Amino acid sequence: DIQMTQSPSSLSASVGDRVTITCRASQVIRHDLAWYQQTTGKVPKCLIYAAYRLESGVPSRFSGSGSGTEFTLTISSLQPEDFATYYCLQHNVYPPTFGQGTKVEIK
Amino acid sequence: QVQLVQSGAEVKKPGASVKVSCKASGYTFITYYIHWVRQAPGLGLECIGMINPDDGSTTYAQKFQGRVTMTRDTSTSTVYMDLSGLKSEDTAVYYCARTYTWLASFDFWGQGTLVTVSA
Repeated sequence: DIQMTQSPSSLSASVGDRVTITCRASQVIRHDLAWYQQTTGKVPKCLIYAAYRLESGVPSRFSGSGSGTEFTLTISSLQPEDFATYYCLQHNVYPPTFGQGTKVEIK
Repeated sequence: QVQLVQSGAEVKKPGASVKVSCKASGYTFITYYIHWVRQAPGLGLECIGMINPDDGSTTYAQKFQGRVTMTRDTSTSTVYMDLSGLKSEDTAVYYCARTYTWLASFDFWGQGTLVTVSA
């Protein structure tokens, strides 16, 4: 299985901060990567697909970049509703695999 | 609107089996693959397998092969996941989620079904 390594595993930030989360794949996955947001007790929500395409209805402060093995999710100005856990997902090779998650907490 | 509605929580003993359902509505059932993903308490997300509702073909993650069976009923637009030989480590929330092709990002998810395995 392809291993997806996210960093950091957690971070503390303030409202208005710029936040960057990185995901590294154990092999090349082209642009076959998505980013999900999950708040406690809720269903994961897709923010970004195909590495950089914004899902409909997702605020433009979220952006994705990267290809191959290195990917980044950026939140340009952190809002109170953004405190959550974020996961990357590769869907280039079966089975799809998730990163271990990055928990974004209030500073 | 698109909905994936799952069956309710289950409590099972070690060694037992559990069958979770996922009823689709709001779209053409056979045009999207259905995957099952689980999340153990406080942990990350893990893919179990998928089914093509059009022809019933399945693909399972190697970790679950031999223990999982996925089926579908096109008359009710429902997909089922049967997991046998339950262990305490199988305690998790089980989600169904759909994709447009067999390998793609998950765009809609069910609400999740908590399966608790306890003696």
